[in-house]
Amino acid sequence: DQQVKQNSPSLSVQEGRISILNCDYTNSMFDYFLWYKKYPAEGPTFLISISSIKDKNEDGRFTVFLNKSAKHLSLHIVPSQPGDSAVYFCAASAASGGYNKLIFGAGTRLAVHP
Amino acid sequence: SAVISQKPSRDICQRGTSLTIQCQVDSQVTMMFWYRQQPGQSLTLIATANQGSEATYESGFVIDKFPISRPNLTFSTLTVSNMSPEDSSIYLCSVRSGSTEETQYFGPGTRLLVL
Repeated sequence: DQQVKQNSPSLSVQEGRISILNCDYTNSMFDYFLWYKKYPAEGPTFLISISSIKDKNEDGRFTVFLNKSAKHLSLHIVPSQPGDSAVYFCAASAASGGYNKLIFGAGTRLAVHP
Repeated sequence: SAVISQKPSRDICQRGTSLTIQCQVDSQVTMMFWYRQQPGQSLTLIATANQGSEATYESGFVIDKFPISRPNLTFSTLTVSNMSPEDSSIYLCSVRSGSTEETQYFGPGTRLLVL
């Protein structure tokens, strides 16, 4: 049962344009969501998170949007840079219930080209 | 955020042997987590390790196969026992840290190949 889904395995974007990565979840108990970036041969790097009490969180070029009714979140990267090329994972947890486990999506490989 | 190191960074092992992976954190943390990323797959939680108590294993993972030690608040080990080629994966430790303690930070990973 895949509770966190990233339906696009890959995305190609031109440098300077917006990258939009999408994530859907099925468990209504999830109340904390995170995005990680992963380069080959490295561990995932935390990018940005959002609590279910918010619908938007912004940090520099990265903005995460949460639509609880649709059980959907998205990560916007503006402007996209070649160094953003990596695999992006969304993850979710039911933090308020003391349930610490992160459930990860399958990842989306972003390629930013000149 | 916490700084996490892992040893070894990579290894090639023969089937039937065991490998112990070390995870060191630069600050004291209550909970440490061990994940596995199989080739082409996402990250899957193996177990949660609290200092002073038995690790809690996720469905599909057992202590005999993946024994974990947590001797103090900055260190943990994961052993992959009696390895088979199916154990070829990246093994990652992570900790919860930060103001909300809901964000997990990951080590660089140990890339394991079993022949």
